[in-house]
Amino acid sequence: DAGVIQSPRHEVTEMGQEVTLRCKPISGHNSLFWYRQTMMRGLELLIYFNNNVPIDDSGMPEDRFSAKMPNASFSTLKIQPSEPRDSAVYFCASSFTPLTGTSATLNTGELFFGEGSRLTVL
Amino acid sequence: SQQGEEDPQALSIQEGENATMNCSYKTSINNLQWYRQNSGRGLVHLILIRSNEREKHSGRLRVTLDTSKKSSSLLITASRAADTASYFCATEGNRDDKIIFGKGTRLHILP
Repeated sequence: DAGVIQSPRHEVTEMGQEVTLRCKPISGHNSLFWYRQTMMRGLELLIYFNNNVPIDDSGMPEDRFSAKMPNASFSTLKIQPSEPRDSAVYFCASSFTPLTGTSATLNTGELFFGEGSRLTVL
Repeated sequence: SQQGEEDPQALSIQEGENATMNCSYKTSINNLQWYRQNSGRGLVHLILIRSNEREKHSGRLRVTLDTSKKSSSLLITASRAADTASYFCATEGNRDDKIIFGKGTRLHILP
């Protein structure tokens, strides 16, 4: 398996532009997580999906951020409009959750991370 | 928001020595995981310890978990230059599927 694939690896854009980050999770994994990493704030969980359904988006900074998972093999994180404070490395991670569907379900699997997308907003 | 807090923030030791990193967390957990991150790369899973376990070994890694103190430690024995990296603890809460990371410990192994 190729692992979690993220694109682009690097993106430099100007303030106000739309940014779309993409993630292909490992085949067979049913949970997908988006994290943001900065020196100041460390790794922040933005949103996670289980079976393509957003479970918790409380970490999404504001309405400028949106994430979708149209199918089990693809997810996007979009920032519109982008701002300089959005500059960070964005990681996608996937895992396999043995049980699904209820709040009592626990993810007992390890996370597999992509190599990240380094975003610079000028 | 961070759940785990690693200690120390940075650690430099001589090659061959043992490295110990600590993690404290705030809420009840289902499991605690340790990850490693090389500069410019994604995180790589090292070891997972469940809330009903107290100690776990994997190669040169030893992890302990004290749920009464809400703390964990990662011990790397006989350190090597290749162990230079950042190490993160991550907790999975027992009420949801969130996996929350601490800010990490930067480990530097001196040759």
